[in-house]
Amino acid sequence: QQQVKQSPQSLIVQKGGISIINCAYENTAFDYFPWYQQFPGKGPALLIAIRPDVSEKKEGRFTISFNKSAKQFSLHIMDSQPGDSATYFCAASRMNRDDKIIFGKGTRLHILP
Amino acid sequence: DAGVIQSPRHEVTEMGQEVTLRCKPISGHDYLFWYRQTMMRGLELLIYFNNNVPIDDSGMPEDRFSAKMPNASFSTLKIQPSEPRDSAVYFCASSLAWGSGYTFGSGTRLTVV
Repeated sequence: QQQVKQSPQSLIVQKGGISIINCAYENTAFDYFPWYQQFPGKGPALLIAIRPDVSEKKEGRFTISFNKSAKQFSLHIMDSQPGDSATYFCAASRMNRDDKIIFGKGTRLHILP
Repeated sequence: DAGVIQSPRHEVTEMGQEVTLRCKPISGHDYLFWYRQTMMRGLELLIYFNNNVPIDDSGMPEDRFSAKMPNASFSTLKIQPSEPRDSAVYFCASSLAWGSGYTFGSGTRLTVV
């Protein structure tokens, strides 16, 4: 019940295209869903996060879509650029409890120039 | 702020040796986390502290692993004795409060030969 399943494991997208990464969770008590971006040789960095009281959150070219009934959320990267090439992790946690954040396994995204 | 600072960046050691990884969290952050990242297992939480107190060490793989946080600005992760299967990238992260985003350090790449 604590798992966060992320897909695909790797993704290749043409420059200018839309990159889509999907995550699914089981624990309905989760109420905080962040996405992290990791470049080679660096630690993960918080990219964008959503709470389940909204179905979508947009920051620039990055959008999280959230489907509470399906227990799924996804990251969309519009107009993908080579600089977006990185590993992306979805995660889930309960904000007001001392429960550890659960990370997905990661998606290696490569944007072709 | 310089962010979360980890040292060393790279460590190569022989099997059986003691290894100490160091972390300086962001000033004012109450939570400190130690993660291990491998291709096979992704990001694994080893242990986390709240206000210098260890809260959950259930992710520590064996008694060979130990972590301390003697004060708010310093933490260590020690492996004694080290084994080749401990080879991984070890990340330290800190957060201002529970449920807020994590700030990761750049990691320590450990190779045990």
